[in-house]
Amino acid sequence: GDSVTQTEGLVTLTEGLPVMLNCTYQTIYSNPFLFWYVQHLNESPRLLLKSFTDNKRTEHQGFHATLHKSSSSFHLQKSSAQLSDSALYYCALYQGGRALIFGTGTTVSVSP
Amino acid sequence: NSKVIQTPRYLVKGQGQKAKMRCIPEKGHPVVFWYQQNKNNEFKFLINFQNQEVLQQIDMTEKRFSAECPSNSPCSLEIQSSEAGDSALYLCASSPPGYEQYFGPGTRLTVL
Repeated sequence: GDSVTQTEGLVTLTEGLPVMLNCTYQTIYSNPFLFWYVQHLNESPRLLLKSFTDNKRTEHQGFHATLHKSSSSFHLQKSSAQLSDSALYYCALYQGGRALIFGTGTTVSVSP
Repeated sequence: NSKVIQTPRYLVKGQGQKAKMRCIPEKGHPVVFWYQQNKNNEFKFLINFQNQEVLQQIDMTEKRFSAECPSNSPCSLEIQSSEAGDSALYLCASSPPGYEQYFGPGTRLTVL
């Protein structure tokens, strides 16, 4: 069945350094829709990025990601992490008009 | 920012008690989803509706879970006889005519 894999469970870094979170997916659909959601402590997930166009970079709030269908990837990047970026990040696959398939999530912890 | 409204924000029940939570989707969003996020931050899709009709649902945990989305009333999710394992964050999301889903703040259920 469809699935999303996030390889990092925890990413710790110092403020100002770049961050990259990996996301790969498996789906039977030829036109997948991929999303990144961010969930801060005691909050609900908030949509960060979305994409359904192959090889097109999408950006929001300093984060960017590019959907690569050839490698089934949608990695999240930011050039300079901020303290406020500390949160849980989920990659999610839109499953043919129905429920989101979430990855296991990556906790990002940014320290001064 | 999401305009999905969920009430109550916190719900405490004893085992065997009914637990009911409500969701008002964002205006103009015809599709509503319910997810359960457990203490390990794992997501479980429960059910979704489009214009009051069920689109997809899991086997609702021995039928203890029920949900509806009547016209002109909030959507609701009810657990007939709460169990300790039901303690979780219940998230309602709504979707515009598109693919992204926007989450409400959630109802955190604690079953004692």
